[in-house]
Amino acid sequence: QKEVEQNSGPLSVPEGAIASLNCTYSDRGSQSFFWYRQYSGKSPELIMSIYSNGDKEDGRFTAQLNKASQYVSLLIRDSQPSDSATYLCAVKKGNAGNMLTFGGGTRLMVKP
Amino acid sequence: DAGVIQSPRHEVTEMGQEVTLRCKPISGHNSLFWYRQTMMRGLELLIYFNNNVPIDDSGMPEDRFSAKMPNASFSTLKIQPSEPRDSAVYFCASGLGDSQPQHFGDGTRLSIL
Repeated sequence: QKEVEQNSGPLSVPEGAIASLNCTYSDRGSQSFFWYRQYSGKSPELIMSIYSNGDKEDGRFTAQLNKASQYVSLLIRDSQPSDSATYLCAVKKGNAGNMLTFGGGTRLMVKP
Repeated sequence: DAGVIQSPRHEVTEMGQEVTLRCKPISGHNSLFWYRQTMMRGLELLIYFNNNVPIDDSGMPEDRFSAKMPNASFSTLKIQPSEPRDSAVYFCASGLGDSQPQHFGDGTRLSIL
């Protein structure tokens, strides 16, 4: 089992729909969770961080964390073609200092 | 604020040559990370520094790879001798303290012929 797992996709959604990206992790001691967006040929860009159970909203983005289920998700409302990218889930494990463990990423395609 | 600065942006060289990648972290950040990204293996952590001290280098693939951080504002990743399988995008990232996210530089696209 990978430490941080994501469906590689591609996830295809129509413009204006809600895109739901999921991530599971194996270390129960994990404390901090991040979503990065990576456009093709570019570097990962931080879009959301979440530290406690529940939802955190920022504009069209909502991060959801359920530590009991070891599950973190990212919802993108009113998806736009410009949201088409690979989304990387990153987890800071409990005893890992400042290191992050990244999932393999989910490629999202938003079709006009 | 200036982000993480990496140089060069692109490097093409022949196998056997020495390659040096450079990184300037965000001012005030105390953690620095070197990653390698390929289609096959995704984003892999190579080495992590905290307060200029290497903390975890378990991701460094072999002795051909070495990394240094002589001060808080500069780090290098060196490959000697380089091989075609080292071709990848190498990212440097920096962060500040526990639970804080990492911020990535634009990366160096390395091609070894």
